[in-house]
Amino acid sequence: KAGVTQTPRYLIKTRGQQVTLSCSPISGHRSVSWYQQTPGQGLQFLFEYFSETQRNKGNFPGRFSGRQFSNSRSEMNVSTLELGDSALYLCASSFGVGGNSPLHFGNGTRLTVT
Amino acid sequence: GESVGLHLPTLSVQEGDNSIINCAYSNSASDYFIWYKQESGKGPQFIIDIRSNMDKRQGQRVTVLLNKTVKHLSLQIAATQPGDSAVYFCAEGSNDMRFGAGTRLTVKP
Repeated sequence: KAGVTQTPRYLIKTRGQQVTLSCSPISGHRSVSWYQQTPGQGLQFLFEYFSETQRNKGNFPGRFSGRQFSNSRSEMNVSTLELGDSALYLCASSFGVGGNSPLHFGNGTRLTVT
Repeated sequence: GESVGLHLPTLSVQEGDNSIINCAYSNSASDYFIWYKQESGKGPQFIIDIRSNMDKRQGQRVTVLLNKTVKHLSLQIAATQPGDSAVYFCAEGSNDMRFGAGTRLTVKP
């Protein structure tokens, strides 16, 4: 079974731009969660989607948004990029909802904002 | 607010020794706990999980202990090997999964 796939692997953007990251979950998994990982803050929960609905959201500004498609693939978007948005963005899928099922992570998208 | 944290940011052990990584959590509503291992350039990898109705669970060379009275979680790795060198995260689940800060384990040959 293929694992969680995130694209692109690396991304360099300029302040003020917007970016879209993509995640393909493990086949059969209906939940997709997104996390931001930085050296100073660790893994911070962004949001979770389950069956195309945002189920839960972390403490991030509205510039961070996401969606999930009928095939469970998910995208997250960050608008008006700031230098502090530079981070590793991790996507994880699970069969059940994220708080009660093991999360399976992709290898992330490394975003650098200059 | 509620948080998941780790007692030590780094841990160095000799190859062949046992390792113990600790984690404290504060959300008494959490009922599912996971340990993850993250190697450089990769996403976190599932190691072992435990639900709140258990206090111990064993896997291959790993054991997770849960003490709900003091809200403490630990990961024990037996006969630590160089390949175990990584950052280890505990995570607690209730409404969603929240992660601790991580402990970097270094195994000396």
